[in-house]
Amino acid sequence: EIVLTQSPGTLSLSPGERATLSCRASQSVTSSYLAWYQQKPGQAPRLLIYGASTRATGIPVRFSGSGSGTDFTLTISRLEPEDFAVYYCLQYGSSPWTFGQGTKVEIK
Amino acid sequence: EVQLVQSGAEVKKPGESLRISCKGSGYSFTNYYISWVRQMPGKGLEWMGRIDPSDSYTNYSPSFQGHVTISADKSISTAYLQWNTLKASDTAMYYCARGGGIDYWGQGTLVTVSS
Repeated sequence: EIVLTQSPGTLSLSPGERATLSCRASQSVTSSYLAWYQQKPGQAPRLLIYGASTRATGIPVRFSGSGSGTDFTLTISRLEPEDFAVYYCLQYGSSPWTFGQGTKVEIK
Repeated sequence: EVQLVQSGAEVKKPGESLRISCKGSGYSFTNYYISWVRQMPGKGLEWMGRIDPSDSYTNYSPSFQGHVTISADKSISTAYLQWNTLKASDTAMYYCARGGGIDYWGQGTLVTVSS
């Protein structure tokens, strides 16, 4: 089973700042089958990025994904008020699929 | 418009059985996996397993294998998550979700197990 470790656990930033979230896998993720999700309280998760770097439909360009192998990054170039939420990575290249434990982006 | 609509909240006692559902619409149901994801109160997302609705082939996380059953009825575009014997620790929100690189999610079904 691939274990995904997200860091940091909490990121305290101000609107307008850049956010860099890390997702590290215990072994290589097949074909960069790595996705990122945003979840706000009381809501279902929303897909942001799939295939490590492809933005999902309707996702603003300030969200970008990068990485391959075992190291992946989600970058939010300039935080908007609506971006404060919890972010999860998911690998879907090897069974069982696994999620990271999440990174909370909070207002500083 | 792609939609996954889940059945309503449930309150059950330990030892009881339960089946919750997830109905897909707006796309070809047999063309995409359906996964189930657990979120315990205040915790993160856990992938439980998936089904291929075209042939009902299932794949489970070891953490959930043997405790839940995932099934689907492609004739009515509906997937199911079933427990035969609920425990208090099954109290959680359960989401169904579509595809690899999960792109669409249901609204969630809150399951509360309490004596």
